[in-house]
Amino acid sequence: IAGITQAPTSQILAAGRRMTLRCTQDMRHNAMYWYRQDLGLGLRLIHYSNTAGTTGKGEVPDGYSVSRANTDDFPLTLASAVPSQTSVYFCASSGGRDGYTFGSGTRLTVV
Amino acid sequence: QKEVEQDPGPLSVPEGAIVSLNCTYSNSAFQYFMWYRQYSRKGPELLMYTYSSGNKEDGRFTAQVDKSSKYISLFIRDSQPSDSATYLCAMSEGRGSTLGRLYFGRGTQLTVWP
Repeated sequence: IAGITQAPTSQILAAGRRMTLRCTQDMRHNAMYWYRQDLGLGLRLIHYSNTAGTTGKGEVPDGYSVSRANTDDFPLTLASAVPSQTSVYFCASSGGRDGYTFGSGTRLTVV
Repeated sequence: QKEVEQDPGPLSVPEGAIVSLNCTYSNSAFQYFMWYRQYSRKGPELLMYTYSSGNKEDGRFTAQVDKSSKYISLFIRDSQPSDSATYLCAMSEGRGSTLGRLYFGRGTQLTVWP
């Protein structure tokens, strides 16, 4: 089934630890995005990539990094997790003007 | 001020009611308008998509865009308990051949009770 796969589905992480959230798409979409969703704040863009080899910062990029080595994969790394990064993280992709396709999300709790 | 404003609700209606969900925006360059539906503990899924001003109907759902007022709406007729979800509006300038960045409202939580 075509779409976006995110892993892990949930994680409890100790503060200060490093973690990479994985995102893979099989639709050959050029653009990919990482959002975090928090109650009352909605979806906020962390980082994006318009095409393989390029990345850009969204509205809340601090504490996060991304890479885009190929079209299909767009991992998000938390170098040293803090409790304020507790959130639900969604990866999305877009292949033109047809809207975004979202993954099922990763629920991250930093303790 | 956020670029897209949406009343978070919650909104609770009986089965069969007509539901109206709304968003306002400030960026006059937006020309692509979408509604996403998000069930609990799931990712958002595209529900309706419209370009520029006008109406679009898909079954029980109607999306309206009024660019002169910077106001978009989603109407749900004959609402069902299965419509219970969070509804997010989203919009984009759409530069070149791509959609570009989507700007989302905060979402309205809807409950339809039987």
